[in-house]
Amino acid sequence: DQQVKQNSPSLSVQEGRISILNCDYTNSMFDYFLWYKKYPAEGPTFLISISSIKDKNEDGRFTVFLNKSAKHLSLHIVPSQPGDSAVYFCAASLGEYNFNKFYFGSGTKLNVKP
Amino acid sequence: EADIYQTPRYLVIGTGKKITLECSQTMGHDKMYWYQQDPGMELHLIHYSYGVNSTEKGDLSSESTVSRIRTEHFPLTLESARPSHTSQYLCASSGRYQETQYFGPGTRLLVL
Repeated sequence: DQQVKQNSPSLSVQEGRISILNCDYTNSMFDYFLWYKKYPAEGPTFLISISSIKDKNEDGRFTVFLNKSAKHLSLHIVPSQPGDSAVYFCAASLGEYNFNKFYFGSGTKLNVKP
Repeated sequence: EADIYQTPRYLVIGTGKKITLECSQTMGHDKMYWYQQDPGMELHLIHYSYGVNSTEKGDLSSESTVSRIRTEHFPLTLESARPSHTSQYLCASSGRYQETQYFGPGTRLLVL
């Protein structure tokens, strides 16, 4: 049973516009959420995270929003750049007392067109 | 920048062979993880370790085994490779009070 879901396998956006990637989860015990970016033939690289006690975290062009009541988080990239083209994975953690085990979504492939 | 390494990056091997995928990190992280990922699918945790001489199986059942004799080293072994083991294997680590996991570049395994 998949606890973290990314229902859009792909997204195409024009350079300079906003990219919005979505993620839903089912386990209300998750207390930490992360977004990773993955280029072909490379491992995932950490992008941005958010604790369950917050509803927004911003880092430069990247903002993550968390809606706990809807069990939904989203990643906003503004403005989108061609170098942002990659697969984006959402992950959720049960925290330190569960050895930081992560549960991943299946990824959304973002294509930013010049 | 995380320093976590995996070798080999690519491996093509015949059925029945024994293989070991290497993973090393130079950050002194206590926790290490192995994930398996098929194309277009989520990463599945197959093994994790919270310190030397401690290993646990993850949520996805795997025929592989792991060991943690040194903090920096977390190898994964398949005693007899089969085509069903064809996948990408990703190693990760995290510090004692860190939530973030840092990933290696992965090993793409093809079993013929």
